[in-house]
Amino acid sequence: QVQLVQSGAEVKKPGSSVKVSCKASGGSFSSYAFSWVRLAPGQGLEWMGAIMSIFDTPNYAQKFQDRLTITADEYTTTVYMELSSLRSDDTAIYYCARDTGYSGYDFWGQGTLVTVSS
Amino acid sequence: VLTQSPGTLSLSPGERATLSCRAGQTVSSSYLAWYQRKPGQAPRLLIYGASTRATGIPDRFSGGGSGPLFTLTISRLEPEDFAVYYCHQYGSSPPTFGQGTTVEIK
Repeated sequence: QVQLVQSGAEVKKPGSSVKVSCKASGGSFSSYAFSWVRLAPGQGLEWMGAIMSIFDTPNYAQKFQDRLTITADEYTTTVYMELSSLRSDDTAIYYCARDTGYSGYDFWGQGTLVTVSS
Repeated sequence: VLTQSPGTLSLSPGERATLSCRAGQTVSSSYLAWYQRKPGQAPRLLIYGASTRATGIPDRFSGGGSGPLFTLTISRLEPEDFAVYYCHQYGSSPPTFGQGTTVEIK
């Protein structure tokens, strides 16, 4: 059974960075892309970016282009999302999701709450 | 842009729910999905390719339509179906989601 297990909740100061991990198990890590999607209070789901380990070239939403870094470690089957220059409106639940390409995002992590507050 | 309507649907268990998702740009039916999200849980894939149910999804959930208008129908609402539903296009970059439709108990 495929499982995506994310790191725990974070509280950060404005201007700092956060790094969230997503450990994948039970499937072929290198055969899929992994996306990061966030859900801010009162907002809808927002795609941030994605990576496929065999290509190792992430794809970012333009909105996050200059402060988002997504990496993948094939040996530990873990995907990371690092967001810098945090602002209060970055407060959200951050999800990783397995991107099947044709069949949507079939497995999701449990979510990581990131709170940005001074 | 994906625009979902209505924003909120108030229905009783046993009733039929019809949710809409209108695409502001060309969206291939092959790459349109629906997700359900309950409070405190991750989104759950219901439908992909506009009309194919994901593994383990009950047959009371059905997807239909083609660009630009797609629909998700829940034939008879069960108590566990009251949640927020999102449409999602993943055929063009960047992937986008609708703003969500809340299905609440009337």
